[in-house]
Amino acid sequence: EAQVTQNPRYLITVTGKKLTVTCSQNMNHEYMSWYRQDPGLGLRQIYYSMNVEVTDKGDVPEGYKVSRKEKRNFPLILESPSPNQTSLYFCASGQGAYTQYFGPGTRLTVL
Amino acid sequence: AQKVTQAQTEISVVEKEDVTLDCVYETRDTTYYLFWYKQPPSGELVFLIRRNSFDEQNEISGRYSWNFQKSTSSFNFTITASQVVDSAVYFCALGEAAGNKLTFGGGTRVLVKP
Repeated sequence: EAQVTQNPRYLITVTGKKLTVTCSQNMNHEYMSWYRQDPGLGLRQIYYSMNVEVTDKGDVPEGYKVSRKEKRNFPLILESPSPNQTSLYFCASGQGAYTQYFGPGTRLTVL
Repeated sequence: AQKVTQAQTEISVVEKEDVTLDCVYETRDTTYYLFWYKQPPSGELVFLIRRNSFDEQNEISGRYSWNFQKSTSSFNFTITASQVVDSAVYFCALGEAAGNKLTFGGGTRVLVKP
């Protein structure tokens, strides 16, 4: 079954404690992306990757890092989380703007 | 810069009523894609439809229909004979063909009461 998986699905943490949200896809897509969803703002792109070792900033990259060492994985790293990063995060893979498959979402709370 | 506006933040209807969600977009590109996604209370994003900028033919799929009007930069979505299971947040999104992201509207929350 074609899918994008994210872990963890829910996470409560404290300010400054480094965390990683994993994302994996089994569709051999070259393109992967991270979005965050906040009330009234819809989803906004954080980072994207066009292929292994190729990443670039989206609209709201501050406070986040990503890496793409393997085609199937695209982890999102928060080195020093802050309360304003409390959000619902979605990973996506696909063919750029043409089609994107979204993961189930990770709800992050930073206290 | 691309922009998507969903002016309605919340719509409340009684079951079996029709509901229309408005979406207005801005882009300088001539080739682009428009999407509608549904986000039920469980939180996942459910893909509903994609249209490309060269195809203005309106579409009906069951109780769903879409009205794409390039002249007014609108891509409206109608649910006919709404049901309680239609209660969700609906997002309109724009993807430019040469771009690498989708630009989302703020979403419209639809509440269908029995």
